[in-house]
Parts: sequence; structure tokens; C-alpha cells
Amino acid sequence: EVQLVESGGDLVQPGGSLRLSCVGSGFTFRVFWMNWVRQVPGKGLEWVANISPDGSMKRCVDSLRGRCSVSRDNAGNSLFLDLNTLRAEDTAIYYCMAWGASAYWGQGTRVTVSS
Amino acid sequence: DVVMTQSPLSLPVPLGQPASISCRSSQSLVRGGGGIYLSWLHQRAGQPPRRLINDVSKRDSGVPDRFSGSGSDSNFTLRISRVEAEDVGVYYCMQFTHWPHTFGQGTNLEIK
Repeated sequence: EVQLVESGGDLVQPGGSLRLSCVGSGFTFRVFWMNWVRQVPGKGLEWVANISPDGSMKRCVDSLRGRCSVSRDNAGNSLFLDLNTLRAEDTAIYYCMAWGASAYWGQGTRVTVSS
Repeated sequence: DVVMTQSPLSLPVPLGQPASISCRSSQSLVRGGGGIYLSWLHQRAGQPPRRLINDVSKRDSGVPDRFSGSGSDSNFTLRISRVEAEDVGVYYCMQFTHWPHTFGQGTNLEIK
């Protein structure tokens, strides 16, 4: 069974930092582009970041430029998203997503930025 | 950023009837080499999205053949030949030709 399990979401104060993690199983993690997508509950989807299968290409959206870093550990089937200088508008459910010939999504981890 | 515009945003459909969702992009989604990277996703309440269609018209594994995708350049359509109860939820088009990848606003399909 394919699984993507996110963790690391939390309530954090504005200006704070978080590391989100995602562990995959049941598929060949190392051949997939991995992605983070976020969704404000009840609203639409926003692509946050992606990283190539070997990790050599990675990028974050402009709204997170300088505050976002995406990385992966293929040996551990893991994906990471480091967010810093968090703002209220970063509050969302963050989904880990594998994209390729198939596409797999995790259940999401909730990030709340509030004082 | 490429803006993806879906219509309608709300789609009430009787069971067994067809449904159609339009998606238009603000730029051509044709990449050098001719590939068009447009997908359709379905999200039920409280669940993560699921990809239905990739590369304009390729159904993902396990997706019923009542779902079909078509289109070219900047104009795309998702069709459901006969709506079933399990089809309720929000449908998104998504492009990954250009960075940042972007989504449509979503179309809420409900049973009439």
C-alpha cells in the first residue's frame, strides 16, 4: 500500500520556524519528483515547493522565497520542508505529494501561525 | 504566474447526467517539444486531492472511464459521461508546464 505520512505541523508564533517531514512507503520514492502543496481549509490549492528525484533541482514559490528550503533523503524515503520567518498567511494544511507516472498525496499536516 | 480559470465554479448535476468543466490558462501550456502538462484533480471533503487525469487526457490507474480530458494550448475540458454519487467534491485543473505550477480555483460538483 502506498503511503505518504507528513509530520511537523504545529501552532507557531509569527516569525517562528518549522520543519515539515514526509515519509513515503509502498512505491519507489527515489524516482519521483516530490512536492509540497498547501491549502487553507475551505480554500484552493497552492504549490509551495518541489525537488527533483536526485535532489539536484529544487525551488520554492516566490511568496516563500528566502523563507523556504526543500530537501530529501532518498535512503530514508523522506522529504522535508523548512519554513522560517512564518507569517499568518502561511497558515494552511501542507500536503506532501509524489508526482510522476502516478501521483500520491499524504493526508497533510496543519500549520497554524498565530500569536 | 500562469492563471488557471475554471468554469463553472458550482456545478449541480442530476445523477446519471453528463458534466463538463472548462479550464483556461493565461498562457499556452505547450512546452518546447510539444508536451502539455495539464492535470485534473478531485478532492472530496476532508480528503487530500487525487489525480484523475495527467497530460491533458491520460487517466490515472483506477480512474473510471466515465472521466475524460481533452484540450490543447490554453483551453481544456474535463468531462464526466454519467455522474455518480461518488463524484461529488471539488475538481481542480493544474498546470505544471510553467513555474510556479498553478491550480484553478476549483469547481464544486454536487448532486442535483
